[in-house]
Amino acid sequence: DAGVIQSPRHEVTEMGQEVTLRCKPISGHDYLFWYRQTMMRGLELLIYFNNNVPIDDSGMPEDRFSAKMPNASFSTLKIQPSEPRDSAVYFCASSSSQGLVEKLFFGSGTQLSVL
Amino acid sequence: AQSVTQPDIHITVSEGASLELRCNYSYGATPYLFWYVQSPGQGLQLLLKYFSGDTLVQGIKGFEAEFKRSQSSFNLRKPSVHWSDAAEYFCAVGAGPGGGNKLTFGTGTQLKVEL
Repeated sequence: DAGVIQSPRHEVTEMGQEVTLRCKPISGHDYLFWYRQTMMRGLELLIYFNNNVPIDDSGMPEDRFSAKMPNASFSTLKIQPSEPRDSAVYFCASSSSQGLVEKLFFGSGTQLSVL
Repeated sequence: AQSVTQPDIHITVSEGASLELRCNYSYGATPYLFWYVQSPGQGLQLLLKYFSGDTLVQGIKGFEAEFKRSQSSFNLRKPSVHWSDAAEYFCAVGAGPGGGNKLTFGTGTQLKVEL
């Protein structure tokens, strides 16, 4: 398996623009997570899905952020409008509920810079 | 709510020296504990995990960690550090089965290895 695939790897945009981050989880995994990593706050869980359904979005900073999972193999995280304070690395991760709690498999992240 | 504290932001050790990275957690029940490593520009990779049983767990790359319930700690150790171990290390606590594999991460410890 190719692992968790995120795109783009880097995104530079101007304040006020819409940004869409994409994630393809590992085939067969039924959990998908979006994390944000910043120097100040470390890794924060934004939202996670189980079987394509959002379970906990309490980490989503505000209404400018939205996430969708239209099918088991694709998820998006959208920021509209973007602001400089959204600059961070955004990670997608997936895992399987089979058996005990298993490890998260992380993508390589999207480095977002909002100017 | 679960939380993780990594008190050391930066640690520098000489190659060949021993290493211990500290992690303290707060969780109401039996925790599921993890250590992840992140190399520059990469996602997180699981080093080891603790669910139950033997409190000393072995991981990849020669790392081990010891769960001490009385101290609410899960410190990571390695007897002899290699230059390739330079990276950022994250401790995480999970809710276990039923908790949706949701992990809370510490803010990380940046390890520098001097040759």
